[in-house]
Amino acid sequence: DGGITQSPKYLFRKEGQNVTLSCEQNLNHDAMYWYRQDPGQGLRLIYYSQIVNDFQKGDIAEGYSVSREKKESFPLTVTSAQKNPTAFYLCASSSFWGAGANVLTFGAGSRLTVL
Amino acid sequence: SQQGEEDPQALSIQEGENATMNCSYKTSINNLQWYRQNSGRGLVHLILIRSNEREKHSGRLRVTLDTSKKSSSLLITASRAADTASYFCATEVYGGATNKLIFGTGTLLAVQP
Repeated sequence: DGGITQSPKYLFRKEGQNVTLSCEQNLNHDAMYWYRQDPGQGLRLIYYSQIVNDFQKGDIAEGYSVSREKKESFPLTVTSAQKNPTAFYLCASSSFWGAGANVLTFGAGSRLTVL
Repeated sequence: SQQGEEDPQALSIQEGENATMNCSYKTSINNLQWYRQNSGRGLVHLILIRSNEREKHSGRLRVTLDTSKKSSSLLITASRAADTASYFCATEVYGGATNKLIFGTGTLLAVQP
């Protein structure tokens, strides 16, 4: 089945540690995204990538980093510089970037808790 | 930056009743989409309405768009317990080279059996 796989589903981190969240898609989508979701809030865009080896900052990129070395993969690193990293992280992809309808397919999410 | 705001924040209804939730946004849009999120899961796309459309149907879903009021509504008819979820509107906005989806804060719908 085609889809987006995020791992791990749950992750615990000590303060000061970097952690990397994995996102893999087999939908042959060009664009990939990372969103952060906090309780009672909507999704906020962290980073997005339209093509391999290119990515752009979203609205809340500080304290995060990404790479896009392969079309299928878009890992997110939460660095120790992120002041409040405890959140639910969602990866998404879309097949169309540009004028028209940009419909997202989401993974199941990764819940990060900083101890 | 949050563009959309859903109203109400939470809604509780009985099975078989209709559920209506609203979304307001601030800037001109290319299209508006509705997504559903079951607790602790990812979002699932439900329906998309373009800026030049006023109403769209998909199964038990009916979406309206009023660009003059910058608002949209999602109607779920004959609700079922399985419809219990959070519902988010998302607006697609042109921004030069970027074309981002901006999500609202969501409506939590509880359908009581």
